[in-house]
Amino acid sequence: GAVVSQHPSWVICKSGTSVKIECRSLDFQATTMFWYRQFPKQSLMLMATSNEGSKATYEQGVEKDKFLINHASLTLSTLTVTSAHPEDSSFYICSAPPPGALYGYTFGSGTRLTVV
Amino acid sequence: AQSVTQLGSHVSVSEGALVLLRCNYSSSVPPYLFWYVQYPNQGLQLLLKYTTGATLVKGINGFEAEFKKSETSFHLTKPSAHMSDAAEYFCAVRGSQGNLIFGKGTKLSVKP
Repeated sequence: GAVVSQHPSWVICKSGTSVKIECRSLDFQATTMFWYRQFPKQSLMLMATSNEGSKATYEQGVEKDKFLINHASLTLSTLTVTSAHPEDSSFYICSAPPPGALYGYTFGSGTRLTVV
Repeated sequence: AQSVTQLGSHVSVSEGALVLLRCNYSSSVPPYLFWYVQYPNQGLQLLLKYTTGATLVKGINGFEAEFKKSETSFHLTKPSAHMSDAAEYFCAVRGSQGNLIFGKGTKLSVKP
């Protein structure tokens, strides 16, 4: 079945540094990738939608200069958290709709980001 | 606009008992509805989905859900709970951008 590989699974970084999260579609081409953020004991909230070859669309309240999204190929989308702060600590998950899957979206395994 | 409400942030059942997780939705268009399960520090796994057709949808691990338009509900059930079912469950509806809009989740605990 369709698989989205997300790396790293967890990362600890210092305040002010940048962290890159990668999501790769392993056996299908993902023209669209959704990026979600999940705070502890809360639901998933859509941050942005990336489309291959074009600029990402950000949800209201999400800083596009802080959360840089690149979708340069049909199998790779990246999220870079720039100048990270402790309040950015969260669980980040990507998701892509495989072609013809009738909306059975595939999710990455998530990245636990802790900023200290 | 679409939205999802999950009633009960925490449900506890005994092993072997019926599992019922409630989900109500709001949608201005015919909804596409999903149930996902999430284990700690992991991504989401699709349990089942409703798009069109049969309103009773069967999923993995013995779960099923029934789409009831008149009640705007999509409750998840399993006849007999297993210890391995303990997890967080999310109901979701497809949004206008093609993304998923999630409910707040229901944590299922299974007592031995």
